[in-house]
Parts: sequence; structure tokens; C-alpha cells
Amino acid sequence: DAGITQSPRHKVTETGTPVTLRCHQTENHRYMYWYRQDPGHGLRLIHYSYGVKDTDKGEVSDGYSVSRSKTEDFLLTLESATSSQTSVYFCATRGQGSDSNPYEQYFGPGTRLTVT
Amino acid sequence: KNEVEQSPQNLTAQEGEFITINCSYSVGISALHWLQQHPGGGIVSLFMLSSGKKKHGRLIATINIQEKHSSLHITASHPRDSAVYICAVGSWGKLQFGAGTQVVVTP
Repeated sequence: DAGITQSPRHKVTETGTPVTLRCHQTENHRYMYWYRQDPGHGLRLIHYSYGVKDTDKGEVSDGYSVSRSKTEDFLLTLESATSSQTSVYFCATRGQGSDSNPYEQYFGPGTRLTVT
Repeated sequence: KNEVEQSPQNLTAQEGEFITINCSYSVGISALHWLQQHPGGGIVSLFMLSSGKKKHGRLIATINIQEKHSSLHITASHPRDSAVYICAVGSWGKLQFGAGTQVVVTP
């Protein structure tokens, strides 16, 4: 298994407060992803990164921002949390073309966020 | 409309039964993934395939690129196979996911 950790694992916050979730990997993978998982919707891509300081939006990026200042860390920030952002957030990583399984994604354990 | 459709949404089987989960997609892909999510929430990759068939133990995954369809089979199912099975399709690493199939295997 790829060494992927997420912090915090659980968080309860109030509407309007900023929240930052952290994803940390030890595999030196180039690509990193943030997904949210909601009942009835499955997993949906929020943002992804294809290298240090290189990020792009996914299908549900409104209300979220990301940063990647070093290979191992990918941060997801909710600038002003809303109840609609209550979800389980998963980080994932992927290697690159020279790796043995360049398209396989490895998932972190998830962060359960509740916005009250 | 979701571009990745899975069926059935829920499935209950008795231990030992053969299980099939289907996935249809409507976009061009470079690879199709089958993932497993246990009740604890963790997600693990079972298969990644772009053609043909793969087998790991009691699990078999097939894909028909022309028909844009994949199946995941579980032979001799066991209660520990109880989980949500998720199909995902991707192009250049960006994945789109099906809603998942909840599988319950009873002793």
C-alpha cells in the first residue's frame, strides 16, 4: 500500500469557518487528488495536482482551494465552510509514466467532515 | 446523467454463490478500475484494466472496450467479501466513478 495519510480524520466545524485538510504521501507520487464522497453521488473529483505548485479544478471545485508546495503534501481548504460541504473527503495519489502501474490510484483513509 | 453506471445498486448473496457486478460507461477511457470499499471506509484498488480479463484469487474482472462494459465476478463468495464495489473509468489519470454496488454475503 502507498503511504498516504490524511489529517484530521474527523472534524466538526461551524458554518462560515475556514477548514484545511491535509494529505501526506511518502511514495514520491507526482499526481495527487482530492475527492468527496456523498450518498447517491459516489466519489467526485474536487481538485488535483500534477506536480509541485501545479493544480487544476475537478468537477466540484466551487468553494474549495488547494495548494501543493512540496511533493508529499496536498492541502484542501474550505475558505468558508457550508453545510453542503459536509462529506467524507478522500485523497489519492498516482505515479507517473515510468512507474510500473502509472494509472493506478492509491487512496488515503478519508476525513469525515461535518459542518453544523 | 452519470457517465458511469453500475448495476445492481444492492446485492445480497449466500456464502458460496457466484456474484456479478456490471459497469457501463459512455466516455472514452484509457483504463477502467474496480475498487473495494469496506464498512470502515477505506478504499483499495482491486483491478485496473484496459482490455481483456484479469484474475486475482476469487475475483475476476473483464472489459469489452467496443461495448463499453465491464463486469466484476466474485466466485465462491464469502462474508468477508461484503463491501461496496466501485467502478471508475479514467483518461490520463482523472477518474469518473460509478455510484457503487453494495454487496452483502450472508453465511
